Amino acid sequence: KNEVEQSPQNLTAQEGEFITINCSYSVGISALHWLQQHPGGGIVSLFMLSSGKKKHGRLIATINIQEKHSSLHITASHPRDSAVYICAPGSSNTGKLIFGQGTTLQVKP
Amino acid sequence: ETGVTQSPTHLIKTRGQQVTLRCSSQSGHNTVSWYQQALGQGPQFIFQYYREEENGRGNFPPRFSGLQFPNYSSELNVNALELDDSALYLCASSFQGGGYEQYFGPGTRLTVT
Repeated sequence: KNEVEQSPQNLTAQEGEFITINCSYSVGISALHWLQQHPGGGIVSLFMLSSGKKKHGRLIATINIQEKHSSLHITASHPRDSAVYICAPGSSNTGKLIFGQGTTLQVKP
Repeated sequence: ETGVTQSPTHLIKTRGQQVTLRCSSQSGHNTVSWYQQALGQGPQFIFQYYREEENGRGNFPPRFSGLQFPNYSSELNVNALELDDSALYLCASSFQGGGYEQYFGPGTRLTVT
């Protein structure tokens, strides 16, 4: 079993839809990162959170430390949101990030 | 505040050769982590440098080595390149005391033929 599991692996949505990506992990963490990767490779850090909820624009991230689960929500999705979204818990021992396989999101106009 | 930069952007090497990739960390950051991302896969942790010392290593052979300099920039060296080393190499800088928030560079795309 992988240390980090994301679902779904692939997601196609219509513009305007509400999107949820889930992440479950099995390791002890100091914090969890949600990252966005566009074609071509560049990675952007969307959120780092260790408890509760954070919001930035149309993006919301939540984490439940007890259940070892996090979600990334996108409200009013737009084609420019099309990217790979990666959940990456940071190990509490080393601080290194452990990456999920990513969720490929395509938002159609 | 400058961002994380990596050089070169793209690189083509032949099997058996050696390669050096470079990363300049964000101003104020003293920790650099390197990751390998094969096509279609998530990134894999190679190693981390904190204040010029290796501070954790993933499951990579000794052919992968690194350095961190007093200005906290870093190099990743790979010897005896193999075809499977073809990947996107990402570096990320952070201030270790700051909860490990990491800022990623754009990556170096290495192709080994």
